Amino acid sequence: GAVVSQHPSWVICKSGTSVKIECRSLDFQATTMFWYRQFPKQSLMLMATSNEGSKATYEQGVEKDKFLINHASLTLSTLTVTSAHPEDSSFYICSARSGEFFGYTFGSGTRLTVV
Amino acid sequence: DQQVKQNSPSLSVQEGRISILNCDYTNSMFDYFLWYKKYPAEGPTFLISISSIKDKNEDGRFTVFLNKSAKHLSLHIVPSQPGDSAVYFCAATPYNTDKLIFGTGTRLQVFP
Repeated sequence: GAVVSQHPSWVICKSGTSVKIECRSLDFQATTMFWYRQFPKQSLMLMATSNEGSKATYEQGVEKDKFLINHASLTLSTLTVTSAHPEDSSFYICSARSGEFFGYTFGSGTRLTVV
Repeated sequence: DQQVKQNSPSLSVQEGRISILNCDYTNSMFDYFLWYKKYPAEGPTFLISISSIKDKNEDGRFTVFLNKSAKHLSLHIVPSQPGDSAVYFCAATPYNTDKLIFGTGTRLQVFP
């Protein structure tokens, strides 16, 4: 079945630094990738949608200059949290979709802690 | 504005009995609905889905029912097993988009 690998699974960084999270589709080409954020005991909130080779589309209220998304190839999307602050601490999850079949495959998530 | 809501934050069911998880939505333009199971610090795992043109879909122990007039769907798990204990999210896709809008989640606990 379709597999999405997300790395790292957890990261601790200092305030003011930037963190990059990678999302790879291992056995299929992901024409669309999605990035979600989940606060403790809350829903998964869609942050942005990215299509290979084009700029990401951000949801209302998500700062595109803070959460940089790059979808450079059909198998890789990255989310960079720039100038991280403690309030950016959260669980970030990516999801990928192929144009060939309906379905969303999720990565295992990244726990970001900013200290 | 929470377009997909799961009004029960938690549910406790005895092993072997039926678990019924409910989900309500407000957007009549949703055309596909999905249920996911999620463990802490992991990504969601797909369980079952249903198109808006259907009212029922069944896959093994899992059955999803859709009532479009009430904007309500439910997931039935029978018989429930301890391994089913997790947080369950319903999700929906608006017509003609790729977006997946998640509900607020229900924590299911199945006890022996």
